[in-house]
Amino acid sequence: TQLLEQSPQFLSIQEGENLTVYCNSSSVFSSLQWYRQEPGEGPVLLVTVVTGGEVKKLKRLTFQFGDARKDSSLHITAAQPGDTGLYLCAGNFGNEKLTFGTGTRLTIIP
Amino acid sequence: NAGVTQTPKFRVLKTGQSMTLLCAQDMNHEYMYWYRQDPGMGLRLIHYSVGEGTTAKGEVPDGYNVSRLKKQNFLLGLESAAPSQTSVYFCASRYLSQPQHFGDGTRLSIL
Repeated sequence: TQLLEQSPQFLSIQEGENLTVYCNSSSVFSSLQWYRQEPGEGPVLLVTVVTGGEVKKLKRLTFQFGDARKDSSLHITAAQPGDTGLYLCAGNFGNEKLTFGTGTRLTIIP
Repeated sequence: NAGVTQTPKFRVLKTGQSMTLLCAQDMNHEYMYWYRQDPGMGLRLIHYSVGEGTTAKGEVPDGYNVSRLKKQNFLLGLESAAPSQTSVYFCASRYLSQPQHFGDGTRLSIL
């Protein structure tokens, strides 16, 4: 069973601060996705990364895929209250399934 | 375009009762998935289907059964509910190599 560990599990910071959350595995991903989930809703896709070393930006969010395709990070610049939510990484190991990480619950304090 | 619709949204069962959760998608997606989400554990795959009439086990299939008689519907059954099956259940679907689209979940409590 492939495992994805996310850290930290909980993060609470002030509005305007920067933060980074991590997703790590001992296995190599074919691709990796980041989702954000709001209370009472299903996860919504933010980004998919495929190539080792790839960096993608989505406004204030920067996603990086590790060179060896075993890890990924999400960096948020100048966090806003609207960034509050559960962030999930999900890895694909070359089949029809996704393996989800344990999640990081982010709270931005106004 | 409703996307992925899950019914019911909430349900309370007694131990030993049975029930079926329905997932319907109107996007003509081939792949459909059932997950459960528990605190601190992300989403864990229960069963999935790669097309009409096919099903396969995921990471945590015990105590659940599924059926995909129609392409647009994926049913998750609990034959004899147990308190350990208290969870939030999510259905997702996708088309070929595209990302998964999720429903809004079913919150199930087993007393």
